[in-house]
Amino acid sequence: DQQVKQNSPSLSVQEGRISILNCDYTNSMFDYFLWYKKYPAEGPTFLISISSIKDKNEDGRFTVFLNKSAKHLSLHIVPSQPGDSAVYFCAASARGTSYGKLTFGQGTILTVHP
Amino acid sequence: DGGITQSPKYLFRKEGQNVTLSCEQNLNHDAMYWYRQDPGQGLRLIYYSQIVNDFQKGDIAEGYSVSREKKESFPLTVTSAQKNPTAFYLCASSRNSGSYNEQFFGPGTRLTVL
Repeated sequence: DQQVKQNSPSLSVQEGRISILNCDYTNSMFDYFLWYKKYPAEGPTFLISISSIKDKNEDGRFTVFLNKSAKHLSLHIVPSQPGDSAVYFCAASARGTSYGKLTFGQGTILTVHP
Repeated sequence: DGGITQSPKYLFRKEGQNVTLSCEQNLNHDAMYWYRQDPGQGLRLIYYSQIVNDFQKGDIAEGYSVSREKKESFPLTVTSAQKNPTAFYLCASSRNSGSYNEQFFGPGTRLTVL
């Protein structure tokens, strides 16, 4: 049962344009969401997070939007740069989880063309 | 420089052999985690530890074992009972095990069974 889904395996964007990565979840207990960026053969690095009490969180070029009614979150990267090319994972955590377990989506490969 | 180290980066094993993957952190984090990543899939939790001398099974613990004798170390043993051990293994840690703490990842170990 895939509780966190990233339905687009890949996304291709021109440098300078906006990249929008999407993530859907099914577990209504999830209350904290994170985005990670991963280069090949490296560990993921934390990008940005949002708790369920907010609907938007911004950090520089990265903005995460949360639509709780639709159980949907998205990551916007503006402007996109070639160095943003990587795999992006969304992850979610549920309240009441005593160990902060993260449930990950399958990842979306972002390619930013110069 | 605070961080998480994993060794070795690449590991080859013959079928039927046990192998131990190292994970060390100097972030003074209480919680540590082991994940497995397979192509086209998200990260799946193998084991986690909230404090020294305590650890719990994750979603796919069969064929794996861990120990947590020191706060900074959380080695993972892949045993011969693991049916499909070839994968990319990631270790992570977080400040504590609450649901609002992001996890920080090591660079990973790619295990190949020959």
